[in-house]
Amino acid sequence: SQKIEQNSEALNIQEGKTATLTCNYTNYSPAYLQWYRQDPGRGPVFLLLIRENEKEKRKERLKVTFDTTLKQSLFHITASQPADSATYLCALDMYGGATNKLIFGTGTLLAVQP
Amino acid sequence: DAGVIQSPRHEVTEMGQEVTLRCKPISGHDYLFWYRQTMMRGLELLIYFNNNVPIDDSGMPEDRFSAKMPNASFSTLKIQPSEPRDSAVYFCASSLVFNEQFFGPGTRLTVL
Repeated sequence: SQKIEQNSEALNIQEGKTATLTCNYTNYSPAYLQWYRQDPGRGPVFLLLIRENEKEKRKERLKVTFDTTLKQSLFHITASQPADSATYLCALDMYGGATNKLIFGTGTLLAVQP
Repeated sequence: DAGVIQSPRHEVTEMGQEVTLRCKPISGHDYLFWYRQTMMRGLELLIYFNNNVPIDDSGMPEDRFSAKMPNASFSTLKIQPSEPRDSAVYFCASSLVFNEQFFGPGTRLTVL
């Protein structure tokens, strides 16, 4: 079956450490993959988009990698802060860039302890 | 721009009643999406529109659900009749083609 798996439901790390979240998928060949942040009671907020021909993308303390052979994306937050605590969702396009339709993973709840 | 606007923010209704959720997308965006989020199933796409035309409604759970987009600045999602299992947070999002999606604050629906 088609599915997206995010490494764990919850991840606890200490402030200042690097948080690494994983997103694995099967039976898709996405042209791009996106990461979103969701805070309690709010809608998801876009963070980064990475295309299939890009190995890595950075934005401030965020870094995303995309390995189409492994069918995996890694999302890193360096020098993590308690304010980074949220649920992080990965999303990929279902039809290899043919449509704008995304499928979302179930998310990883990140808790950064001070 | 004020972002994606949804109303109401909270809706409590009784089983069997009609529910209408409303969305105003970001001006200039040509895609509009309706999602439903629950703890059990996560964020699920219900239907999306391109230039006011429904493109894919395969995620609409059953005939009780319907969505319309009469113009570029307004969309509705209607549930008739509502059931307790419809209780969820419903999000509307808009985007330009193949770009990030901008989500509204959501409507928390409770069907008693």
